Amino acid sequence: GAVVSQHPSWVICKSGTSVKIECRSLDFQATTMFWYRQFPKQSLMLMATSNEGSKATYEQGVEKDKFLINHASLTLSTLTVTSAHPEDSSFYICSARGDPTDTQYFGPGTRLTVL
Amino acid sequence: RKEVEQDPGPFNVPEGATVAFNCTYSNSASQSFFWYRQDCRKEPKLLMSVYSSGNEDGRFTAQLNRASQYISLLIRDSKLSDSATYLCVVNGGGFKTIFGAGTRLFVKA
Repeated sequence: GAVVSQHPSWVICKSGTSVKIECRSLDFQATTMFWYRQFPKQSLMLMATSNEGSKATYEQGVEKDKFLINHASLTLSTLTVTSAHPEDSSFYICSARGDPTDTQYFGPGTRLTVL
Repeated sequence: RKEVEQDPGPFNVPEGATVAFNCTYSNSASQSFFWYRQDCRKEPKLLMSVYSSGNEDGRFTAQLNRASQYISLLIRDSKLSDSATYLCVVNGGGFKTIFGAGTRLFVKA
């Protein structure tokens, strides 16, 4: 299957700092990328959908000014958690999908801990 | 009613057992269907797509029933390594992808 990488795999930061997470499709062009968040023992929750070159579509309840998404190329999307707080600590996972398939391939995830 | 519903389990089965999971979806216009597997603290990985004609991959068989709006996953001859959470995924068309909450499976020796 297709390969999606995510960086960093884990990060610990102080409250109030911003954290940037990168998601890359390594062997295909991702027309659409998705950002999910997963709290322990809970299901994946879609945060936003982004298409290359356009603004991301955020799910209800997700603050677009807090979770900045940039999908500048067909192989890279970034999620920036601005002014992170302890309640933002979670497992953030990206996925990518390329035309014409509608299969999503997931990155390995980023575990964020905000102290 | 949730758009995609799964029995959360957990299913506890002995090695060698056959186990089946069902997943129901509410949008009759849904176009494509998948089963993903997620291990603890890892990302979901595609297990198999689900086609109208049904499909089989080794010990795994997936089926789709559009009339009743459910998909199923059958695992034969369970292995310890099959222990994971199995996610049902439904594409409603366009960018709308819905994940089920997952069914947890524990296979014991």
